[in-house]
Amino acid sequence: GQQVQQSPASLVLQEGENAELQCNFSSTATQLQWFYQSPGGSLVSLLSNPSGTKHTGRLTSTTVTKERRSSLHISSSQTTDSGTYLCAIEGNSNNRIFFGDGTQLVVKP
Amino acid sequence: GPKVLQIPSHQIIDMGQMVTLNCDPVSNHLYFYWYKQILGQQMEFLVNFYNGKVMEKSKLFKDQFSVERPDGSYFTLKIQPTALEDSAVYFCASSSGQGSNERLFFGHGTKLSVL
Repeated sequence: GQQVQQSPASLVLQEGENAELQCNFSSTATQLQWFYQSPGGSLVSLLSNPSGTKHTGRLTSTTVTKERRSSLHISSSQTTDSGTYLCAIEGNSNNRIFFGDGTQLVVKP
Repeated sequence: GPKVLQIPSHQIIDMGQMVTLNCDPVSNHLYFYWYKQILGQQMEFLVNFYNGKVMEKSKLFKDQFSVERPDGSYFTLKIQPTALEDSAVYFCASSSGQGSNERLFFGHGTKLSVL
């Protein structure tokens, strides 16, 4: 099945700094989503970005489909951004989604 | 925005008992999914469901698992009987269709503790 690699595994920032998260995947993706998982475990969909660049608030995602990679840029990080960021890829069949291991972000005040 | 609700948020149950996890998907969505995440591990696909049928299931979807969505009601995951290794957070998701522009919406998860 699809392999999804995320880097870095963890990241510690001071409030106000920017974060750059990477996602690489092994085969063609028809859909790509970035999720935020809170320390309590709940899951929130941040962006759906199968190709190109998308912005929402302080988040920018750039996906280069033919290079099988996506990035998530968080500008002006805040302590409330702390949590795990998951990249999820859908392959070619039945909306089955494969998740990466996530990047654990800690933003210090 | 659209929300997927999962009830309850936490369920504690004795090994061997039956448990039903409930999911209230986004109202006009047609495709439904369950994912399982053991604490500290990767989220993994269990099953997807469309038009009253299981479309695809993973090897994690054991014989003790079943899903259904009677008309107009919850999309449910039933485990009977439960085992210790079923302890995990179970996430429900729904989408309106399939394809590159279709987005999955996830619930907040139900934490299942099997004692």
